[in-house]
Amino acid sequence: QSVLTQPPSASGTPGQRVTISCSGSSSNIGSSYVYWYQQLPGTAPKVLIYRDNQRPSGVPDRFSGSKSGTSASLAISGLRSEDEADYYCAAWDDSLSVLFGGGTKLTVL
Amino acid sequence: QVQLRESGPGLVKPSQTLSLTCTVSGGSIRSGAYYWSWIRQHPGKGLEWIGYIYYSGSTYYNPSLKSRVTISLDTSKNQFSLKLSSVSAADTAVYFCARGITSSSTYFDPWGQGTLVTVSS
Repeated sequence: QSVLTQPPSASGTPGQRVTISCSGSSSNIGSSYVYWYQQLPGTAPKVLIYRDNQRPSGVPDRFSGSKSGTSASLAISGLRSEDEADYYCAAWDDSLSVLFGGGTKLTVL
Repeated sequence: QVQLRESGPGLVKPSQTLSLTCTVSGGSIRSGAYYWSWIRQHPGKGLEWIGYIYYSGSTYYNPSLKSRVTISLDTSKNQFSLKLSSVSAADTAVYFCARGITSSSTYFDPWGQGTLVTVSS
């Protein structure tokens, strides 16, 4: 079981706004940046959000990240069919290790 | 554009050592701006960080795997490697190599395509 807790699934219809949560503790999210990764079926993950709320070039502004205390969220607005993927949060932990959340499978209905 | 590619046996027997290599092209692993990491994904499951190595040779390993893991650099071949000893079926997974950015402890980009390693007799 992952130390960073995510809901196993989320869903929405095209055009909707969906949020995915990631809950941790003071030793990880509470003291480190949060990163979000998107993994499309059969491919390697790619960075979606870094340092809590920054988007790498090429990532649409439909994707946004936020953090408060020991929890973080990824929001996807204007949901599209190509957003159907697995999403993972990640953070550095005081135990000197990288933690990933368990992942959230997003379904576009 | 930097690219990474994993290589190694797809089948390893229980109790043996899993050995994988990641070949980096389009950039040098000697840069102090990056670190070099291994991450795995059990079939149908989430991501698990294994560890990473800096050009200086400093390493960080997942505490749950630390006793069995070794990550090393081969600068002459622009490669880095993973060795995981005493494997069991629980180590069956897709293994990814990835580049990390030194200024961000959890920024992995790019990733290799991944290679499936099955532990079975």
